Amino acid sequence: DTAVSQTPKYLVTQMGNDKSIKCEQNLGHDTMYWYKQDSKKFLKIMFSYNNKELIINETVPNRFSPKSPDKAHLNLHINSLELGDSAVYFCASSQDLLAGGSTDTQYFGPGTRLTVL
Amino acid sequence: AQKITQTQPGMFVQEKEAVTLDCTYDTSDQSYGLFWYKQPSSGEMIFLIYQGSYDEQNATEGRYSLNFQKARKSANLVISASQLGDSAMYFCAMREGLSGGFKTIFGAGTRLFVKA
Repeated sequence: DTAVSQTPKYLVTQMGNDKSIKCEQNLGHDTMYWYKQDSKKFLKIMFSYNNKELIINETVPNRFSPKSPDKAHLNLHINSLELGDSAVYFCASSQDLLAGGSTDTQYFGPGTRLTVL
Repeated sequence: AQKITQTQPGMFVQEKEAVTLDCTYDTSDQSYGLFWYKQPSSGEMIFLIYQGSYDEQNATEGRYSLNFQKARKSANLVISASQLGDSAMYFCAMREGLSGGFKTIFGAGTRLFVKA
């Protein structure tokens, strides 16, 4: 009955590799997000999708490409991994207020700890 | 300019006492939402409490309450009767506008230590 799930939980890889992180939510929400949390615990939004459409794209290297095959899934693909990409990546989802949600509280997945060697 | 400011990098509180974690925000929007999240050492982000800008009453959820002072642009989290399990990072966040499609900005967090 997990609400927002991410796989994998841990990802250790070499510089230059390409990797993907998957996210799924079973809350029926229409908006999904990717956040990056750095070593100082600072949490910053990377992308947001609403009904499979990209609506927020922060200043993120184009090596990062999100893909939303449907409302319940938002995957993150990272090309040519660099040392600075090491962080915890969180997926989250919310129900848009304009789409009838009572609040647009974001519910987070457990996070994926990415380590680039 | 910082949109969300949490001025206490770390706080200590004695078990069973109440503690207030400070949060101030900056926005010119009339409609916005304020959130608090808890991140224990296990790493997950746990939603605690929400306050809408038009809500006249302070939000409460169990031992958590949000002291919302709109004119001062502050949204402090009050935890009553602290427990050892409350030791964690606490993040204040703000969503501007009506839609979740607007960015939610997080503060730098406050690390709370509950002493036995």
